[in-house]
Amino acid sequence: DTGVSQDPRHKITKRGQNVTFRCDPISEHNRLYWYRQTLGQGPEFLTYFQNEAQLEKSRLLSDRFSAERPKGSFSTLEIQRTEQGDSAMYLCASSLAGPLGYTFGSGTRLTVV
Amino acid sequence: AQTVTQSQPEMSVQEAETVTLSCTYDTSESDYYLFWYKQPPSRQMILVIRQEAYKQQNATENRFSVNFQKAAKSFSLKISDSQLGDAAMYFCAYIESQGNLIFGKGTKLSVKP
Repeated sequence: DTGVSQDPRHKITKRGQNVTFRCDPISEHNRLYWYRQTLGQGPEFLTYFQNEAQLEKSRLLSDRFSAERPKGSFSTLEIQRTEQGDSAMYLCASSLAGPLGYTFGSGTRLTVV
Repeated sequence: AQTVTQSQPEMSVQEAETVTLSCTYDTSESDYYLFWYKQPPSRQMILVIRQEAYKQQNATENRFSVNFQKAAKSFSLKISDSQLGDAAMYFCAYIESQGNLIFGKGTKLSVKP
């Protein structure tokens, strides 16, 4: 287990299309987080899971966004009807319960054209 | 709401010299944790150093150390003997025991040979 994996690394999509990203956390980590990072900004929290339960969602997560973590393992983040404003780096991170800091993946860079 | 402020969008340091990156935060909590993360260009975010608020002693990790001033809500990062590989975006982050990481906007550090 070499860390947090995210797929794809890059995604270019046309406005209005749906996209789905995948995150595979460190296997023993029970918490999984999704963040969005736009150019020149720090990461902004979107949502997190403890095991398979989605415990918190940011108001940044509009109705077009949905995240799942079936069986408490990998997670997917889907964006429906993409807009140009969705262009960003989407970061996944995992951690053990408790504020020990997260391990981040390399991110998925989304470009909506 | 908790906020993290990094007032230096960009900093520059000569190789082998020392540089200090500033961070302030706002919280009404007494129990929390502070972090510095490094994000090299097109690479994943990695944890540099962590400070528990209940510890008065400043954290140190090799060439990296912090100056934690709890009353002033200040958490600066000092990088000694700067190396070319230290060039990156540096993010200050805050978390409560049951919360999520909140990031500042980052400081871009350049290292001149």
